[in-house]
Amino acid sequence: SQTIHQWPATLVQPVGSPLSLECTVEGTSNPNLYWYRQAAGRGLQLLFYSVGIGQISSEVPQNLSASRPQDRQFILSSKKLLLSDSGFYLCAWRKENYGYTFGSGTRLTVV
Amino acid sequence: DQQVKQNSPSLSVQEGRISILNCDYTNSMFDYFLWYKKYPAEGPTFLISISSIKDKNEDGRFTVFLNKSAKHLSLHIVPSQPGDSAVYFCAAGGGQGNLIFGKGTKLSVKP
Repeated sequence: SQTIHQWPATLVQPVGSPLSLECTVEGTSNPNLYWYRQAAGRGLQLLFYSVGIGQISSEVPQNLSASRPQDRQFILSSKKLLLSDSGFYLCAWRKENYGYTFGSGTRLTVV
Repeated sequence: DQQVKQNSPSLSVQEGRISILNCDYTNSMFDYFLWYKKYPAEGPTFLISISSIKDKNEDGRFTVFLNKSAKHLSLHIVPSQPGDSAVYFCAAGGGQGNLIFGKGTKLSVKP
């Protein structure tokens, strides 16, 4: 069966520090991978998606970047965090049908 | 410009009664719609979907209705249970397959 792992679950980082969130998928190959963010008072905002290794599409200009070094690994990064980067980050995968499967999320607080 | 709108940020319903969550969309190219349920500090989980060729889809206590002419869909939960208390996200997709999410509606079911 397919599973998606996302870590860490919670993270508190100072402003200006780097960020690395990792997401891995098991039980499938060549999935579409997504990073979403849920900020306070807002819905789920698509940040990045990837249809294959090394292929990254950005939906919104921001302080973040994404990489897909392996087929089932998706990484969200930042060189210098801003206060506005605080939020709940979700990784998701999708293949063939239109349903998404989400990871359990990372609560990022930038202080 | 929000393509998927959930105009009610919150809804409170008595246990055993019907919960109706509404969603409006603007893009007539969307051809499938989904509802996700989200508990605090967890990733969203898939609830129910409907394609644009249908006007109703039912799964147990959950029914989704689609009115294409009005670009409106709704989720009915009957009977509502306290465990249904969560944030419900409406999502729409089509074409490239990336989902557009609404901002969510927080449902509170009171015993």
